[in-house]
Amino acid sequence: DIQMTQSPSTLSASVGDRVTITCRASQSISRWLAWYQQKPGKAPKLLIYMASGLESGVPSRFSGSGSGTEFTLTISSLQPDDFATYYCQQYDPYSRTFGQGTKVEIK
Amino acid sequence: QVQLVESGGGLVKPGESLRLSCAASGFVFSDYYMSWIRQAPGKGLEWVSHISNSGSAIYYAGSLKGRFTISRDNAKNSLYLQMNSLRAEDTAVYYCARDRRGYSYGIDAFDVWGQGTMVTVSS
Repeated sequence: DIQMTQSPSTLSASVGDRVTITCRASQSISRWLAWYQQKPGKAPKLLIYMASGLESGVPSRFSGSGSGTEFTLTISSLQPDDFATYYCQQYDPYSRTFGQGTKVEIK
Repeated sequence: QVQLVESGGGLVKPGESLRLSCAASGFVFSDYYMSWIRQAPGKGLEWVSHISNSGSAIYYAGSLKGRFTISRDNAKNSLYLQMNSLRAEDTAVYYCARDRRGYSYGIDAFDVWGQGTMVTVSS
């Protein structure tokens, strides 16, 4: 199976900060990568698909980039509602592996 | 509206079986690939299995070692997960989720998730 590694595991930031989370794949996945946001006790919410596609209804401060094995999720100006855990996920025809998650905490 | 509702979770003993269900509404269920994902308490997300819209293509996470079986009934707009030989490490919230676009587009990200059903395996 393809392995996904996120960094950092935890990130402390303040409202208004620019935040970047990195996700690396163990082999090339082209642009078959998604990002999700999850809050405690809730199901994950899709933010980004195909590495850089913004899901409908998601604020434009969220953006994704990358291809091959290295990807990033950027939040341009962190808002109070953005403190949550973020997961990357690769989706190929045979498996759908998640990264271990990045918790964004209030500094 | 588009909705997924899981059911069937509960407390079981190690070695026992359980069948989870996911009822879909608000969209043409037979057009979409579907998946099960789980999350152990305090842990990250783990993809379990996915099934094509027709049920002809099925894949599982390698860690399951053949204990779980995914299936669907398009006439009933329902997805299932049969879990056998359950272990303590299977304790988790189990979510069903839908691919973002219909089958003609191939594999995609998950855009609709259920609220999850808790499975606890303990003696």
